[in-house]
Amino acid sequence: EDQVTQSPEALRLQEGESSSLNCSYTVSGLRGLFWYRQDPGKGPEFLFTLYSAGEEKEKERLKATLTKKESFLHITAPKPEDSATYLCAVSDSWGKLQFGAGTQVVVTP
Amino acid sequence: DGGITQSPKYLFRKEGQNVTLSCEQNLNHDAMYWYRQDPGQGLRLIYYSQIVNDFQKGDIAEGYSVSREKKESFPLTVTSAQKNPTAFYLCASSMFEGNTEAFFGQGTRLTVV
Repeated sequence: EDQVTQSPEALRLQEGESSSLNCSYTVSGLRGLFWYRQDPGKGPEFLFTLYSAGEEKEKERLKATLTKKESFLHITAPKPEDSATYLCAVSDSWGKLQFGAGTQVVVTP
Repeated sequence: DGGITQSPKYLFRKEGQNVTLSCEQNLNHDAMYWYRQDPGQGLRLIYYSQIVNDFQKGDIAEGYSVSREKKESFPLTVTSAQKNPTAFYLCASSMFEGNTEAFFGQGTRLTVV
């Protein structure tokens, strides 16, 4: 059975304090790993897609990396507007899209 | 403007009633998904559909039903058999291949009164 585990559950950062979020997964036939950002009361907003081990994607202060068993979302010099819940999801060979529980990030000035 | 539209934004249901949540997309996507989100939790998959007239159960399908008669539409019915339906419901769509990103609607918040 597919499983997606995110850690930590919550992260409190000072503005400018870099950190990493982890997403470990077990899936039969990984077709893609996805990172999303979700603000309270809103639908998730797509950030990145990673397809194979060794791949990296970057957008502003965010960088996502992928290995065979986990993915990391690095937040470099975060700002208060980066506060959100970050969700990881995997798509398997059947097209099923499974999400982790998310990491709630709070960045204080 | 292309996108996914969920309606209504807020829905109140009396115990014992069935209610239907609407999800429409004009992105020409093949696959559509329904998720449930409880406070402080991640997204749990209810149903998904990769093509018209076909759908599969997710992890928490009991008490829910769906139909996929048109490519653009994937309505979710929350039946009276769902014991604890109060939650935030999210619909998403993606291209069929499964290795492309899914895009989400803005959600429907269902409350049992």
